[in-house]
Amino acid sequence: NAGVTQTPKFQVLKTGQSMTLQCAQDMNHNSMYWYRQDPGMGLRLIYYSASEGTTDKGEVPNGYNVSRLNKREFSLRLESAAPSQTSVYFCASSEFGFSYNEQFFGPGTRLTVL
Amino acid sequence: EDKVVQSPLSLVVHEGDTVTLNCSYEVTNFRSLLWYKQEKKAPTFLFMLTSSGIEKKSGRLSSILDKKELFSILNITATQTGDSAIYLCAVTTSGTYKYIFGTGTRLKVLA
Repeated sequence: NAGVTQTPKFQVLKTGQSMTLQCAQDMNHNSMYWYRQDPGMGLRLIYYSASEGTTDKGEVPNGYNVSRLNKREFSLRLESAAPSQTSVYFCASSEFGFSYNEQFFGPGTRLTVL
Repeated sequence: EDKVVQSPLSLVVHEGDTVTLNCSYEVTNFRSLLWYKQEKKAPTFLFMLTSSGIEKKSGRLSSILDKKELFSILNITATQTGDSAIYLCAVTTSGTYKYIFGTGTRLKVLA
């Protein structure tokens, strides 16, 4: 039972390059999330998917796109990377039930854009 | 706009001290409040609180929610260096699937 996995763990891009961050969960959760974490800023929601087939913008969606490929996988794409997107990216999943909605996090991707 | 505020932003204590971390919130249709501990990597879950006045406890950590005054506290007694971490508070609301995070409290425990 791997929980939430993310690839890659580290990435360095040049301004203007594109890349896709991959996330998968094996807990059969309906909801998946992408966050970025910058020093002193806590976790900011980029996009989320409440269930397979749906995606919605979070607090900071500009410059990103997402795909909920199936129930297990949720990818985040940077089409044209900018230095402001240098951050640590976390994927998370949860089963949003009435009495339990703990969120499980992946190990993170540290992205640097030069 | 929904908002979660944590205080203090950072804290340095010595081993054996007791600390209290605060999380206040202003949200529409509160559902639950969650505490996480983040060391070098991903946040790990500590507690989820939904009812006012009921303390959740795990070892030296405990937390309580006050839904009337819209805040929660996380207490750590007899702190150890392994408690050094960022502590994050998040709130969920009915009708959405989002978690609203505070900026976190960075705790450093000195030997």
